[in-house]
Amino acid sequence: GIQVEQSPPDLILQEGANSTLRCNFSDSVNNLQWFHQNPWGQLINLFYIPSGTKQNGRLSATTVATERYSLLYISSSQTTDSGVYFCAVSANDYKLSFGAGTTVTVRA
Amino acid sequence: ETGVTQSPTHLIKTRGQQVTLRCSSQSGHNTVSWYQQALGQGPQFIFQYYREEENGRGNFPPRFSGLQFPNYSSELNVNALELDDSALYLCASSLDIHEQYFGPGTRLTVT
Repeated sequence: GIQVEQSPPDLILQEGANSTLRCNFSDSVNNLQWFHQNPWGQLINLFYIPSGTKQNGRLSATTVATERYSLLYISSSQTTDSGVYFCAVSANDYKLSFGAGTTVTVRA
Repeated sequence: ETGVTQSPTHLIKTRGQQVTLRCSSQSGHNTVSWYQQALGQGPQFIFQYYREEENGRGNFPPRFSGLQFPNYSSELNVNALELDDSALYLCASSLDIHEQYFGPGTRLTVT
């Protein structure tokens, strides 16, 4: 199956800082999603981005499918951005394969 | 528009027992996928149901089984519970094989 690697595993930020999270994947994909998992465990959809660039408020994402990576940008971070961020991909099938996640801690 | 819902929220079972978890898909969605998330790890795919048929299965033993009903809601059944089955169980719904939306999860503890 597809291997998904996320980096860094942990990120500590001061409120107001910018950051970049990376997701590398081992094969061609037709689905790539970024999620934020809140403290209660729910996965919140951030982006559906198999290719290209999207922006939503302070968050943006870019996927370069030909080079098999995606980036999630967080600008002007807030304490509410804390949590685990997951990248998940699928390739011509039905299942999402998840990375191990990046744990983000934003300090006031 | 109603999102994905799951029940129960929390569950405690004893090793060897059986458990049924439930999921209601988002309005307009016809596909339901189930995932298991152990503490500190990313979710792992269990299986997917599309229009009441199993449409793919991950590396889980046959004691993990499921159903999808005509209204596209779904059940996950686990027989002969083991301690390692303790995890957060997540259900996701989608329209065909597109963007998946997750429910809040059921936290299962096996003692």
